[in-house]
Amino acid sequence: AQSVTQLGSHVSVSEGALVLLRCNYSSSVPPYLFWYVQYPNQGLQLLLKYTSAATLVKGINGFEAEFKKSETSFHLTKPSAHMSDAAEYFCAVSVGGSSNTGKLIFGQGTTLQVKP
Amino acid sequence: EPEVTQTPSHQVTQMGQEVILRCVPISNHLYFYWYRQILGQKVEFLVSFYNNEISEKSEIFDDQFSVERPDGSNFTLKIRSTKLEDSAMYFCASSEQGRGNTIYFGEGSWLTVV
Repeated sequence: AQSVTQLGSHVSVSEGALVLLRCNYSSSVPPYLFWYVQYPNQGLQLLLKYTSAATLVKGINGFEAEFKKSETSFHLTKPSAHMSDAAEYFCAVSVGGSSNTGKLIFGQGTTLQVKP
Repeated sequence: EPEVTQTPSHQVTQMGQEVILRCVPISNHLYFYWYRQILGQKVEFLVSFYNNEISEKSEIFDDQFSVERPDGSNFTLKIRSTKLEDSAMYFCASSEQGRGNTIYFGEGSWLTVV
């Protein structure tokens, strides 16, 4: 069965520092992987997704993620954190299932705190 | 940019009452979903809907829950006889196609059962 594990429920960085949010997945089929961000009192917004094309995926707001099959990882990075990046980040894997609905299985989420 | 809209944004209901959460998915999308997020927990899949029928549902989605697409634009989640543990943020979502396609989420409906 597919699953997602996000290492670290809380990550704190200084403004301007590197952001690294970790995600490992388990999937019996080639995975489709997503990162979503949730700002306070808002819905889930797609940051980026991996669908078996380039292994390095660039998303919005300067974020990118690298798919590493050997490590079953899809870590999210940003070279320089901004105060506005403070939010909850969710990694998710798209599950096919018998109906190919593409439902998402989410990780526990990582709260990113950015300190001035 | 097209978006998924949900109403109400927040609802408080008495235990045992029925609740209907409403959603307008993005107009050209074919797959519709409900997810929920209990406070402090992960986002969980409830149900997917395609071609006017449920295509997949989770263990959470028992007989207490039902979904409907009453017309060409709305997609509703009905929760019968609400329980305290139904208190959660409920997200509606939609996508153009199935697996691998981006799923777009609404801003959620926060349900509080008292």
